[in-house]
Amino acid sequence: GAVVSQHPSRVICKSGTSVKIECRSLDFQATTMFWYRQFPKQSLMLMATSNEGSKATYEQGVEKDKFLINHASLTLSTLTVTSAHPEDSSFYICSAMGTSGGAFNEQYFGPGTRLTVT
Amino acid sequence: LAKTTQPISMDSYEGQEVNITCSHNNIATNDYITWYQQFPSQGPRFIIQGYKTKVTNEVASLFIPADRKSSTLSLPRVSLSDTAVYYCLVGYGNNRLAFGKGNQVVVIP
Repeated sequence: GAVVSQHPSRVICKSGTSVKIECRSLDFQATTMFWYRQFPKQSLMLMATSNEGSKATYEQGVEKDKFLINHASLTLSTLTVTSAHPEDSSFYICSAMGTSGGAFNEQYFGPGTRLTVT
Repeated sequence: LAKTTQPISMDSYEGQEVNITCSHNNIATNDYITWYQQFPSQGPRFIIQGYKTKVTNEVASLFIPADRKSSTLSLPRVSLSDTAVYYCLVGYGNNRLAFGKGNQVVVIP
């Protein structure tokens, strides 16, 4: 099956610094990738939709200048949390959607990245 | 985004069949129904997807009535490792997906 990786799996950073999280589709090309955030004991919350070669579309309430998304190739999307603060500590999950076509392209999820801001 | 509603949690004994329901009253004509499983600190894992009637794969069955306003995920003979949160989602093409609260299934020895 389709595999999506994320790097790093966990990261601890100091308040005020920036952190970059990579999301890669390993064995398929992904025209669309999604970024989610999940707080403890809560559901996944969609942050933004990333399309290869174009600007990301952010959900309402998500600061695009704080969460920078780049989808430079069909296999890589990055999320940069700029000037991170403790409230940004969360589990960040990406998903990738293939180019196989069809009525519903299922999303393949990465293993997630645990961000802790101290 | 199409919304779904599921029971918050349910317990089941090992070896039993577990049926998890999901309501999606506002499902659109083109929407498919997809179920995911999530373990703590992991990304969701695809279980099964369907449009109507019944779909079966090696891990689960999905039952969808004619009006498609609900669906039921059936897990045969659950084991302790099936303890997880189960999400149902509806969507079409590359549309965004809205995760509901999910259903926490706890399998008891």
